[in-house]
Amino acid sequence: KAGVTQTPRYLIKTRGQQVTLSCSPISGHRSVSWYQQTPGQGLQFLFEYFSETQRNKGNFPGRFSGRQFSNSRSEMNVSTLELGDSALYLCASSVDRGGDTQYFGPGTRLTVL
Amino acid sequence: EDKVVQSPLSLVVHEGDTVTLNCSYEVTNFRSLLWYKQEKKAPTFLFMLTSSGIEKKSGRLSSILDKKELFSILNITATQTGDSAIYLCAVGTGTASKLTFGTGTRLQVTL
Repeated sequence: KAGVTQTPRYLIKTRGQQVTLSCSPISGHRSVSWYQQTPGQGLQFLFEYFSETQRNKGNFPGRFSGRQFSNSRSEMNVSTLELGDSALYLCASSVDRGGDTQYFGPGTRLTVL
Repeated sequence: EDKVVQSPLSLVVHEGDTVTLNCSYEVTNFRSLLWYKQEKKAPTFLFMLTSSGIEKKSGRLSSILDKKELFSILNITATQTGDSAIYLCAVGTGTASKLTFGTGTRLQVTL
């Protein structure tokens, strides 16, 4: 079974631009969660999607948004990029909500100049 | 606010040594504790623990959870250079898929 895939793997943007990251979960997995990883803050939860609905959101500004499609693929969008948004963005999928092991994708490394 | 604390922050050992990594937590509505290994990019799953006192084992790695004292340990015996990585502890709560992570323990195994 193929693992979680994320595209693109690397991105360089400038302040004020917006970016869209994509995540394809493991086949059969219906829950997708997004995390931001930085050296200072570690891994922090962004949001969780299940059945095309955002179920949970972390403590991030409204510039961070996402969606999930009927095939469980998910995208996250960051608008008006700031330098502090530079991070590794990880997507994780699980079969169902809660109680299940989450499997992570390789991440998208975003650099904001 | 849910909190997960790992110790030590970093560790350097010689190949063949045994190491113990610690994870303590203070969360509301605990559901599970997970250990991941992160080498380059994607954290890879090691163990999920939900019941107290039951050891999970996989080769040279083992882990146990103490729900009364709110902590878990990850043991690695006969360490190898391939064990060098960041080990992450995460706690799941309630019915959501959200995981709260500790900052990780960076393990370096030298020859």
